Amino acid sequence: EAQVTQNPRYLITVTGKKLTVTCSQNMNHEYMSWYRQDPGLGLRQIYYSMNVEVTDKGDVPEGYKVSRKEKRNFPLILESPSPNQTSLYFCASSLSGDTQYFGPGTRLTVL
Amino acid sequence: EDQVTQSPEALRLQEGESSSLNCSYTVSGLRGLFWYRQDPGKGPEFLFTLYSAGEEKEKERLKATLTKKESFLHITAPKPEDSATYLCAGQVRGGSNYKLTFGKGTLLTVNP
Repeated sequence: EAQVTQNPRYLITVTGKKLTVTCSQNMNHEYMSWYRQDPGLGLRQIYYSMNVEVTDKGDVPEGYKVSRKEKRNFPLILESPSPNQTSLYFCASSLSGDTQYFGPGTRLTVL
Repeated sequence: EDQVTQSPEALRLQEGESSSLNCSYTVSGLRGLFWYRQDPGKGPEFLFTLYSAGEEKEKERLKATLTKKESFLHITAPKPEDSATYLCAGQVRGGSNYKLTFGKGTLLTVNP
């Protein structure tokens, strides 16, 4: 089944404790992207990647890092999480940037 | 600044009562207008892409249309299972980035 998977689905952590949210797709898509969804603000792009080793900032990249060492994986790294990063995070992938398919989401709470 | 505005914020319908959701956009260099459905606790599910004014697409009880300034999602004879948040997004291409700018969504509730 074609899908985008994210892990973990739920995470509660404390300020400053480094964490990684994984994203994997099995559709051989070149384009991948991370969004966060907050009440009243909608979905906003954090980072994107057009291909392996090619990443760039979206609208709200502060406090986040990404890497793309393999085509199928695009992890989101929070080196020192803060409470304002409490949010619902979605990974998306696309064959060539057109229609983007979203993962199930990761709900992160930073205390 | 690119903006996508959806209205109404919430809509409550009786089963079988047709209606429309609105998405107005000011997105320079719009590449495509996307509609997604989002159920509670889940990721957005792709519904339609519209590329040019006058274009229409249909899927079951849903029909999406596009003008130069707005898009409509028409829901004909809705059923309770159509209850969800419907998201509209404008896509622009900036270099290698195919960013989606989302509206805040319309929460649709269909009562039996």
